[in-house]
Amino acid sequence: DSGVTQTPKHLITATGQRVTLRCSPRSGDLSVYWYQQSLDQGLQFLIQYYNGEERAKGNILERFSAQQFPDLHSELNLSSLELGDSALYFCASSPRTGPTDTQYFGPGTRLTVL
Amino acid sequence: AQSVSQHNHHVILSEAASLELGCNYSYGGTVNLFWYVQYPGQHLQLLLKYFSGDPLVKGIKGFEAEFIKSKFSFNLRKPSVQWSDTAEYFCAVNALISSNTGKLIFGQGTTLQVKP
Repeated sequence: DSGVTQTPKHLITATGQRVTLRCSPRSGDLSVYWYQQSLDQGLQFLIQYYNGEERAKGNILERFSAQQFPDLHSELNLSSLELGDSALYFCASSPRTGPTDTQYFGPGTRLTVL
Repeated sequence: AQSVSQHNHHVILSEAASLELGCNYSYGGTVNLFWYVQYPGQHLQLLLKYFSGDPLVKGIKGFEAEFIKSKFSFNLRKPSVQWSDTAEYFCAVNALISSNTGKLIFGQGTTLQVKP
């Protein structure tokens, strides 16, 4: 157990819908990262928040947005869902921010868009 | 853009065989390198990391990796695998473009199957 929790574990929804994925970082960690893992794209970095502020952005679609709240948990919002958004979404956390920080991963949320 | 290649997509070994998984990255500057492992049904866990210093780094569970700067490589090795090493292995790079981000770029992953 990494100490990072993600809810829900599984999510099945229809095209065009909107969903929210939730992540609670390890106690004391200030950074939260979101990654998407799909069969064709592999594991891709989406976005990083550090202490409530966006710190880095990757290949995140405009239909996707995220935020980090004062209690440091984070939510990833996915809207106007398409079949291709079906994937495993991982959250990770680290104590600070920076390239030498070790990231601890949660168990992931498996999203299926029908 | 930075990228990471893992050449072996699926490796099958017998117990006690030696393991080497290849990882190459494309970035000419300073990088930090990681190997993560994902056991079936579990989350990604850090095996080892390289930031600087001795290019041969040792990680958990008997794994080690060697950073060869001239080859842009960071191959993972284990002298003798066990059935419990069956998992998916990911190489990742953090290119030091900005000191304030932890953005990791992952390879496609290598599935290792160890036969008892």
